[in-house]
Amino acid sequence: GAGVSQSPSNKVTEKGKDVELRCDPISGHTALYWYRQSLGQGLEFLIYFQGNSAPDKSGLPSDRFSAERTGGSVSTLTIQRTQQEDSAVYLCASSPRTGGEYEQYFGPGTRLTVT
Amino acid sequence: ELKVEQNPLFLSMQEGKNYTIYCNYSTTSDRLYWYRQDPGKSLESLFVLLSNGAVKQEGRLMASLDTKARLSTLHITAAVHDLSATYFCAVDLTSGSRLTFGEGTQLTVNP
Repeated sequence: GAGVSQSPSNKVTEKGKDVELRCDPISGHTALYWYRQSLGQGLEFLIYFQGNSAPDKSGLPSDRFSAERTGGSVSTLTIQRTQQEDSAVYLCASSPRTGGEYEQYFGPGTRLTVT
Repeated sequence: ELKVEQNPLFLSMQEGKNYTIYCNYSTTSDRLYWYRQDPGKSLESLFVLLSNGAVKQEGRLMASLDTKARLSTLHITAAVHDLSATYFCAVDLTSGSRLTFGEGTQLTVNP
């Protein structure tokens, strides 16, 4: 079946611009996660949505970062006024979270380059 | 704060040899995950370990979990070049919550 998809696969933007990254989780998965991967920081958690519960935003590095999940499915991560340190690969994952199944399935990622 | 540490971070080995990657974590958890990442690619799930003493095997890879020691191992048997990749372990404190990842072990298998 279809896996997690993300778009765009690559994004180059100028410092100070806003960007939106999209994630389509696996159908039926109730949990959705955003992580980012950079050379200096490794894999870092950003935000987590589970069903209708309030999202866990504890990993967002600044108030320039926000995310929403519409209709319990698609999610958008928005970065405002991008900075060079935001350059990274942004990974989305989803998980069924039912029947003891908590494994997270990752999408291909969006490589963001801020110039 | 949960910390996850892997060692070694870099591993170069010859085909046919055996080796073990270690993953230590700082806070009690019953769930540990191993992922593989090829260059320029995303994370591929290898193993999910859900209880103390859990052991899983797939091909030349075997993973185990000792929750009392807060230690997981990924054992490679008779390595082949196709196993060259970066391997990450990850832990979650509560079922299905955020994952905290180790630094990754970059494995290179030489002919």
